[in-house]
Amino acid sequence: QVQLVQSGAEVKMPGSSVKVSCQSSGGTLSSHSINWVRQAPGQGLEWMGRIIPVLGTPILAHKFLGRVTITAFDSTGTAYMDLSNLRSDDTAVYYCATEVLMSFGVITLNHWGQGTLVTVSS
Amino acid sequence: DIQMTQSPSSLSASVGDRVTITCRTSEAISRSLNWYQQKPGEAPKLLIYAASSLQSGVPSRFSGSGSGTDFTLTISSLQPEDFATYYCQQSYGAPRFTFGPGTKVDIK
Repeated sequence: QVQLVQSGAEVKMPGSSVKVSCQSSGGTLSSHSINWVRQAPGQGLEWMGRIIPVLGTPILAHKFLGRVTITAFDSTGTAYMDLSNLRSDDTAVYYCATEVLMSFGVITLNHWGQGTLVTVSS
Repeated sequence: DIQMTQSPSSLSASVGDRVTITCRTSEAISRSLNWYQQKPGEAPKLLIYAASSLQSGVPSRFSGSGSGTDFTLTISSLQPEDFATYYCQQSYGAPRFTFGPGTKVDIK
């Protein structure tokens, strides 16, 4: 059974950084592109960015340019998302998800981690 | 960036009802539209991809249609386990993706 297991909840001060990990197990997901999606309390899903291993360069939503670093799965099958200069409105559950190229050339997010709650508070 | 809207933002329905949710994009995306279901405290789950293809293991009461800018998710006979929030997502604008704002389906 393929799984993505994320690191535990974090509480951070405004202005600091957080690093969330996403480890694949039970399959060969480590060669897949990985996406990061967040969800603020009571809000919808917000796509943050993705990294395609063969390209190596992260692709970020414009609002996260300069604040987010995404790494592909390493030799241990772990990927990371680093968010800097945290603000209170960064409080959210952060999900990793891997892509699959389906028929008709459509990309889907098929496997998801369980989510990591990041709370930003002074 | 491709913008997405969903309607309604929420709806109340009864078990057995037929439910239709609409997703609209700011530019044509062919059939590059996926639908996800999310229950409280859980990660999203893929239901429909490429506008109308049913993901493996998803009940056949779920169906999708549309192309271009207008898409629809239909639940033919709502079941108790279907009360959730539904999101559309486009992958046409790759390398960047977008989610719709979501539609919450709750019990009438």
